[in-house]
Amino acid sequence: GAGVSQTPSNKVTEKGKYVELRCDPISGHTALYWYRQSLGQGPEFLIYFQGTGAADDSGLPNDRFFAVRPEGSVSTLKIQRTERGDSAVYLCASSISRGGSTDTQYFGPGTRLTVL
Amino acid sequence: GNSVTQMEGPVTLSEEAFLTINCTYTATGYPSLFWYVQYPGEGLQLLLKATKADDKGSNKGFEATYRKETTSFHLEKGSVQVSDSAVYFCALSERSASKIIFGSGTRLSIRP
Repeated sequence: GAGVSQTPSNKVTEKGKYVELRCDPISGHTALYWYRQSLGQGPEFLIYFQGTGAADDSGLPNDRFFAVRPEGSVSTLKIQRTERGDSAVYLCASSISRGGSTDTQYFGPGTRLTVL
Repeated sequence: GNSVTQMEGPVTLSEEAFLTINCTYTATGYPSLFWYVQYPGEGLQLLLKATKADDKGSNKGFEATYRKETTSFHLEKGSVQVSDSAVYFCALSERSASKIIFGSGTRLSIRP
């Protein structure tokens, strides 16, 4: 079946611009996660949705970052006033139920964001 | 806070060599432990996991045992192949939370 998909695969923008990154989770997965992976590092947690609501947004670095999941399926990560330090690969993952340590998270291919 | 420390790479081995990638963790509770792998040009995928002390996770010839006394989850494989070349991430997740905390990754290269 189809896995987690993310669009675009690459995004180049200029400092100060606004960007949106999209994630389509595996059908039927109620939990959705966003992570950010900087070059040479492991992914870092940003936010977790259970259904339509953000259950844990403790990883969002500041108020320029925002994410939504209005219908409990597709999610959009929004970054305002982008900075060069936001350049990274943004990963989305989904899992079948409420999440937690026993649910496998399935990762998408990521969106590589480059801020010039 | 919770964290994962894994051996730095890159690690370069010859085909059929024995592999160990060390991983230790710090956690306040009783986390589940994972190894994820990222093959060249592919997305991150779960390799194996263990959810409680003394559990052994295994997949594709790789093994790791959850050692609570040493807070470790070392990855091993008896005979590596060129196709095992990838970046390997050790990770944990607390039972009460859903986020995964990753180590910084270890790049493995296998020579034919």
